Amino acid sequence: DVKVTQSSRYLVKRTGEKVFLECVQDMDHENMFWYRQDPGLGLRLIYFSYDVKMKEKGDIPEGYSVSREKKERFSLILESASTNQTSMYLCASSGSDRTGKGHLHFGEGSWLTVV
Amino acid sequence: DQQVKQNSPSLSVQEGRISILNCDYTNSMFDYFLWYKKYPAEGPTFLISISSIKDKNEDGRFTVFLNKSAKHLSLHIVPSQPGDSAVYFCAASAPGNEKLTFGTGTRLTIIP
Repeated sequence: DVKVTQSSRYLVKRTGEKVFLECVQDMDHENMFWYRQDPGLGLRLIYFSYDVKMKEKGDIPEGYSVSREKKERFSLILESASTNQTSMYLCASSGSDRTGKGHLHFGEGSWLTVV
Repeated sequence: DQQVKQNSPSLSVQEGRISILNCDYTNSMFDYFLWYKKYPAEGPTFLISISSIKDKNEDGRFTVFLNKSAKHLSLHIVPSQPGDSAVYFCAASAPGNEKLTFGTGTRLTIIP
């Protein structure tokens, strides 16, 4: 069974802090994704990566960056956290092909509150 | 611009009856559609998918219907069970595009 592990379930950070959200998958998947989920807005794609050291912007990349130094690990970075980045963050991976038609396997989510 | 829309934020259905969740899309390039189910405090899990070359796909109690001319898909759950209470997201992808575009979700509540 695929396991996607997000390092922190609940975080509270102050405005202006640098925040790292870590995600690890154990199935040797090529593709990894970061989404955020907000009420009434569904899941919105922040960044994705289809290979080590590769990254692509999603629909809402502003205020975020990512790092993929190893195939199994994909990190989301908030350079200077703001209150409008309070949200649930979901990491996902898929491995069938690069067209995104592989079924995404999600982690349990990280609840970030910025105060 | 919401390319995938779920116009019903919530739906309540009696246990044993049919649940029908709807999803509309605007991008005619989408050729693959999926449904995910999400419980509170958990990540979404894949439920069922359909390619645009089909108009129906069935998996046990779950059936997805695709109407390409109307740019509409629906998920039928029959019979509905209490464990089906969750938020359901539809998602779509286009050829050559690695990402999935999700709808806003529908909260389904099954009443015992």
